[in-house]
Amino acid sequence: DGGITQSPKYLFRKEGQNVTLSCEQNLNHDAMYWYRQDPGQGLRLIYYSQIVNDFQKGDIAEGYSVSREKKESFPLTVTSAQKNPTAFYLCASSIGGQGEAFFGQGTRLTVV
Amino acid sequence: GQNIDQPTEMTATEGAIVQINCTYQTSGFNGLFWYQQHAGEAPTFLSYNVLDGLEEKGRFSSFLSRSKGYSYLLLKELQMKDSASYLCAVRSAPYKAAGNKLTFGGGTRVLVKP
Repeated sequence: DGGITQSPKYLFRKEGQNVTLSCEQNLNHDAMYWYRQDPGQGLRLIYYSQIVNDFQKGDIAEGYSVSREKKESFPLTVTSAQKNPTAFYLCASSIGGQGEAFFGQGTRLTVV
Repeated sequence: GQNIDQPTEMTATEGAIVQINCTYQTSGFNGLFWYQQHAGEAPTFLSYNVLDGLEEKGRFSSFLSRSKGYSYLLLKELQMKDSASYLCAVRSAPYKAAGNKLTFGGGTRVLVKP
C-alpha cells in the first residue's frame, strides 16, 4: 500500500537534546512538507521541498533543520535552539504543483 | 507574505447546513484546499478549487472566487461525526525558485449538536 509514514508516533526528549523525526513516502511524490501544530491551532509550515537536494524555509524554520537526500525521505531535526519544541509534527507530500497533499499520522513530541 | 483567515469556531444543529468562510491574500496563487481534522489525528482531504466556481462532492461543496481572495466550504445534512476542525489551505508559488508552498489557516472548529 502506498502512503506516507511518520515515526515514532510519540517521542520524549530531554531539554537541550536534538531529535530527528522521520518521514518516508512511497507515493513517488516530488514535494514534501513539515508542519507544526499546537493545541487548538492550525498548521504552521516549517520547511518544504520540491525536489531532491533542495528545500525552502517555511514560516517558522528557526530552530529546525531538514535534509532531502532521497525523494522518499524528508527527515526533520528539532534542535536545542528551538525554544518551545513540544508540539504535534505533521509531514505531508504531494505531486509537485498539482493535486492534494497527503499527511502522515504525525509525531507528538514532548520535551521535558 | 501570506494571510489566511477563517472563523475560530462555529456551532450548528444535526441535519442543518453550515458555511465556513476563508479569505486569503497571497502572490502566485495556485489552488485552494479544504481539509477535515479530528482531534489528535492527521488532516484528511475534502476538496480542491483552482478555478472560480463551485465544486460539489456529496454533502460537501466548496466555492472559490480568486478575484476576491475568498472561498467557502458548505457542509449539508450535518451529522454528529462532522464535528471536527476544518482547515483552509492555499498553494502558492511566491517566486519560481521556491516552488509551491502550502500554507494553512488557523482552522475552524465545528461543533454539531443534536
